[in-house]
This record gives sequence, structure tokens and C-alpha cells, in this order.
Amino acid sequence: AQSVTQLDSHVSVSEGTPVLLRCNYSSSYSPSLFWYVQHPNKGLQLLLKYTSAATLVKGINGFEAEFKKSETSFHLTKPSAHMSDAAEYFCVVSVNSASKIIFGSGTRLSIRP
Amino acid sequence: EAGVAQSPRYKIIEKRQSVAFWCNPISGHATLYWYQQILGQGPKLLIQFQNNGVVDDSQLPKDRFSAERLKGVDSTLKIQPAKLEDSAVYLCASSAPVGRQKLFFGSGTQLSVL
Repeated sequence: AQSVTQLDSHVSVSEGTPVLLRCNYSSSYSPSLFWYVQHPNKGLQLLLKYTSAATLVKGINGFEAEFKKSETSFHLTKPSAHMSDAAEYFCVVSVNSASKIIFGSGTRLSIRP
Repeated sequence: EAGVAQSPRYKIIEKRQSVAFWCNPISGHATLYWYQQILGQGPKLLIQFQNNGVVDDSQLPKDRFSAERLKGVDSTLKIQPAKLEDSAVYLCASSAPVGRQKLFFGSGTQLSVL
């Protein structure tokens, strides 16, 4: 069975400093992994996805994530946080195209001025 | 390109009443999902359709929840009777032909059960 664990429910960083949101997954097969962002009162938006191509994936708004099979991790990073990055971030796993798409519990990112 | 449309945007009902939500996916998207997102939690898949067939409804509380997608396009999700713990945002998503897995989400319906 597949699952996804987001290790931090809340992360707070200062504007201009790096962001790290942690995600670990469990899957019997090669997974597809995604990060979605949810701004307050807005719909979920895809940030980036990994589907067995390059292990370092670049997404929108300067975010990127690295797939590490040995660590079963897919952490989301950004070199310099912006106030507009404040939102809820969800790590998502899917094993194959017809399977369930499982969301993590989310990490709330706060940005301090 | 029009996005995933959902209605209503908000709904307030009393427990034991019934409620229905509607979703119109992006044109051409064969796969449609209904998720339940309780405050402070990640979205939980309720049901997944491929065209008008059900792919996965293992987490749908079938004693009170039902969903249909009769013509393989738009879909309705119904709760009857509603319970207090059904208060949540109900999200509809769709995706393009099998294999792409990128979900496009609607704005959701926020349900409050009093």
C-alpha cells in the first residue's frame, strides 16, 4: 500500500531565507510524486511533479524537489522565501495512473517579515 | 480553457438533512475525483470515476454518501442524511487521459452541518 507522511505540520521562516518542507513516502512500486499548494480560500494548484524522469524537479514560483529513492523522500525547497509563499502545501503520491492519489496531511508555511 | 466548476460554493444545513453538490470537469477529462477536506487535514479521496464507471469508492461512506456520473461528464455527490462530522470542504478534481495524473481542482463546496 502507498502512503505519504509530511513531517512538519507547520513551518515558519523569515522572508528571504530558504524553505524546506519535508515529505516521506511509502510505495511498493515506483511512485509518481507531486507537491500541491493551497492558498487561503483558493483551489489546490500543482507546484511540481516527479514521474521517473530527472530526480531533481523544478516547479513554479522557484520551488523544486528532489526524489531520493534510498531515503524514500521528496522534500520541497526554495532558496529564498517570499511573503506570497505563505500557504498550505501538500505532498501527494500515486503508484500508477489508475490508482488512488493520496494526499499528505499538509504543512502550513508561514513567512515572517 | 475553463476550469473545474463546482456549485454551490457554500452550503449550511442541519444534521439529518440531505445535500447535493455538483461538479463539471474540464472538457475532455475522463477521470473525475471527489475529495473531502476536513479543516486542518489533507484531502481524502471519496470516489474516483473513469468516464462513467467507478474506479475506487473504498473510502466513500456508502450508507449516507452517493455519487454518480451518468453521462461521463458532470457529476453529483449526495449526502443523506448529513451528520455533524460531514462538515468539510468537498473538492472535485479532474485529470486528462490516463497516465498524466495532474489534477485540476475546483474551488470546492464548503459544507457546514449544524
